[in-house]
Amino acid sequence: NAGVTQTPKFQVLKTGQSMTLQCAQDMNHEYMSWYRQDPGMGLRLIHYSVGAGITDQGEVPNGYNVSRSTTEDFPLRLLSAAPSQTSVYFCATLGGNGYTFGSGTRLTVV
Amino acid sequence: GQQLNQSPQSMFIQEGEDVSMNCTSSSIFNTWLWYKQDPGEGPVLLIALYKAGELTSNGRLTAQFGITRKDSFLNISASIPSDVGIYFCAGPPNTNAGKSTFGDGTTLTVKP
Repeated sequence: NAGVTQTPKFQVLKTGQSMTLQCAQDMNHEYMSWYRQDPGMGLRLIHYSVGAGITDQGEVPNGYNVSRSTTEDFPLRLLSAAPSQTSVYFCATLGGNGYTFGSGTRLTVV
Repeated sequence: GQQLNQSPQSMFIQEGEDVSMNCTSSSIFNTWLWYKQDPGEGPVLLIALYKAGELTSNGRLTAQFGITRKDSFLNISASIPSDVGIYFCAGPPNTNAGKSTFGDGTTLTVKP
């Protein structure tokens, strides 16, 4: 039982490049979400999904797209990376015992 | 939406000392959650509180649900080096809201 799996763990991008951060869960949780963590700013919600086919914006959605074609997967796409998107990204699901987080993706945009 | 204020922002303590941190909300809560994030990992649930006045322990950690239902406290007794990390409080998950339900975190450093 892996829980929430995020890939890659580390990534360096050049400004303007695109990439997809992967998130997969095996807990059959309907709710999934993406956060970014920056020093002193806690966990800020980027996008979330309450089930397959449904997504919505969080607090800081600009520059990011998401889709939810299956219950298991919730990828986060950066279409044109900017240095301001340098951060640590966490995917999380929500079940009866609260949130379960992945181990994060550390992204650097140069 | 709910707004959480977590303090202190950071703490530097000596091994063996006790630690206290707290979280306050602008709204009344029916749930308080406390998470710990180890360096390089995602946050993990430590303690969940569901009732005003509730006091719950998990080893050396003790958390309390304030009687006003607008605050919660986390205490760590006899700290050890592996207590290092970021501690987050969180309110009740709101799956229809577009805002994070987490406080900004308390970063704990323990000196051996």
